[in-house]
Amino acid sequence: KQEVTQIPAALSVPEGENLVLNCSFTDSAIYNLQWFRQDPGKGLTSLLLIQSSQREQTSGRLNASLDKSSGRSTLYIAASQPGDSATYLCAVRPRYGGATNKLIFGTGTLLAVQP
Amino acid sequence: DAGVIQSPRHEVTEMGQEVTLRCKPISGHDYLFWYRQTMMRGLELLIYFNNNVPIDDSGMPEDRFSAKMPNASFSTLKIQPSEPRDSAVYFCASGRETNEIFGPGTRLTVL
Repeated sequence: KQEVTQIPAALSVPEGENLVLNCSFTDSAIYNLQWFRQDPGKGLTSLLLIQSSQREQTSGRLNASLDKSSGRSTLYIAASQPGDSATYLCAVRPRYGGATNKLIFGTGTLLAVQP
Repeated sequence: DAGVIQSPRHEVTEMGQEVTLRCKPISGHDYLFWYRQTMMRGLELLIYFNNNVPIDDSGMPEDRFSAKMPNASFSTLKIQPSEPRDSAVYFCASGRETNEIFGPGTRLTVL
């Protein structure tokens, strides 16, 4: 059974710092991996999607990497800003078992960027 | 594009009452998903539809939960009877293949 773990559960950093959020998954047979952002009381916003054949994806100050063999992904946020404060969720989509469209989520990392 | 629309945004009800959550997916999306989010269990997929047909309902917790998608522009998630442990945020998402767009969620409180 695929399990997704995110470390740390919470993180507080001063504005301007670069930071890394970690995601690990137990089964490397994935179709893709996605990073989401969730603001309090809001839905999820997709940040980056990495296909299983890719190593990384970049969008602005965000860079996500994927190492399927070790079951790990990282989300790197450069020059953090108070507006980056949110919960960041990692989710994997299994490749087999008719679950191509079934995202399995981690428990998230709550990020606070202090001004 | 208004995105995925969910109603109501907040629902407070008493144990034993029937609750119906509604979702309007983005036009043209052929997949629709219902998720539940709690502090204890995080985000869990309850059920998903493809072209209005339920594909996987293995996440539906028990018979008290049912979901329907009568047409491409509307879906409901019903809980009957509701229990306090059903209190959670319920998200609907729609997409084409493998990139879901999430709605804002319905926060359900069962007293």
